Amino acid sequence: ETGVTQTPRHLVMGMTNKKSLKCEQHLGHNAMYWYKQSAKKPLELMFVYNFKEQTENNSVPSRFSPECPNSSHLFLHLHTLQPEDSALYLCASSQGGTSGQTQYFGPGTRLLVL
Amino acid sequence: GENVEQHPSTLSVQEGDSAVIKCTYSDSASNYFPWYKQELGKGPQLIIDIRSNVGEKKDQRIAVTLNKTAKHFSLHITETQPEDSAVYFCAASTGTASKLTFGTGTRLQVTL
Repeated sequence: ETGVTQTPRHLVMGMTNKKSLKCEQHLGHNAMYWYKQSAKKPLELMFVYNFKEQTENNSVPSRFSPECPNSSHLFLHLHTLQPEDSALYLCASSQGGTSGQTQYFGPGTRLLVL
Repeated sequence: GENVEQHPSTLSVQEGDSAVIKCTYSDSASNYFPWYKQELGKGPQLIIDIRSNVGEKKDQRIAVTLNKTAKHFSLHITETQPEDSAVYFCAASTGTASKLTFGTGTRLQVTL
């Protein structure tokens, strides 16, 4: 248990659906991250939030929309996804948004887009 | 941007033997190098990290070495046990931001 929880753990959705992934950290951290993990590819950073402000958008398609209402919660809103978006989506948090900060990961949401 | 290469992609060792995983990075400004272990159905968990002002760090059976000149760093696991079986990722962080660039992972299998 790392102090980072994600819901749901598994999600199946059609290409026309709208769904949201939720992440919550109980560590008192100020930075939160979304990563995408696909088979045989490195973890890909999608978004970074530092003190609720988005500081990184790694050229992510607009069908992925992040939201960070406070330093403890992070959402990823999904709409009109493609089958190639099927992957494990991981949330992480760190004390701050500077280099050298240990990132703690949640268990991930396994997403399947049909 | 930063590029991290990791080898081997799979590694099988017998229980009690040592395992070594190697990573190279491209950006000489990288200054933080964590290693993560990911078990089935779980997110990556930090097992050890090293910063650019240190050449080696050890924590019980796990050690990491860093060669800044050659831009490579390695994970060493001694006296391997079945519970060490997992996927291991190296990563590098550059500059003032918290952005991590990950390697492609090594699947370690420890056999009895």
